[in-house]
Amino acid sequence: GQQLNQSPQSMFIQEGEDVSMNCTSSSIFNTWLWYKQDPGEGPVLLIALYKAGELTSNGRLTAQFGITRKDSFLNISASIPSDVGIYFCAGQNSGGSNYKLTFGKGTLLTVNP
Amino acid sequence: DTGVSQDPRHKITKRGQNVTFRCDPISEHNRLYWYRQTLGQGPEFLTYFQNEAQLEKSRLLSDRFSAERPKGSFSTLEIQRTEQGDSAMYLCASSLDSPNYGYTFGSGTRLTVV
Repeated sequence: GQQLNQSPQSMFIQEGEDVSMNCTSSSIFNTWLWYKQDPGEGPVLLIALYKAGELTSNGRLTAQFGITRKDSFLNISASIPSDVGIYFCAGQNSGGSNYKLTFGKGTLLTVNP
Repeated sequence: DTGVSQDPRHKITKRGQNVTFRCDPISEHNRLYWYRQTLGQGPEFLTYFQNEAQLEKSRLLSDRFSAERPKGSFSTLEIQRTEQGDSAMYLCASSLDSPNYGYTFGSGTRLTVV
């Protein structure tokens, strides 16, 4: 089945630093999504990417859909303590199974004030 | 409508007991999904409803699991004869017909089987 490799597994940074995390896949996806999950809560959608090469921003967050459609990255600029959480990438196909998301294992972000 | 609601938030049960979880999706969303998340992992797809029709079940969903969405609104997920391996966060999500905007997830039900 499809697998997503997300790296790094965890990051510990100082407030104000920039963060970068990425996701690679063994196969092509037509949509890439980035979610954030706080402890005890469900994932919340941060950014959705629909086209290869697309670069999209949402406030301090920027994400890109790789040209090969097999990878994506997420950058967070000027991190703040509330950025703490687990960040997940997810890939979505088109066609008959376009409802199903395949998630990475997540990147745990810790921000030291 | 404040989003996807799940009930209960936490459930502790003894091995062998049956449990049932409820999900209330966003009212205008006709697609509903169940995912399971274990510690240190991302959510994994379990099943999908289009209105009241269950259109796919993952092989993760053994015979002990059953999900329903009787009137195309709320959904229930029942686990019979629970096992310790069933301990996980069960997440419900909903979306419009075109899921291109991503799902909206609920806060999940944390199941602990002792």
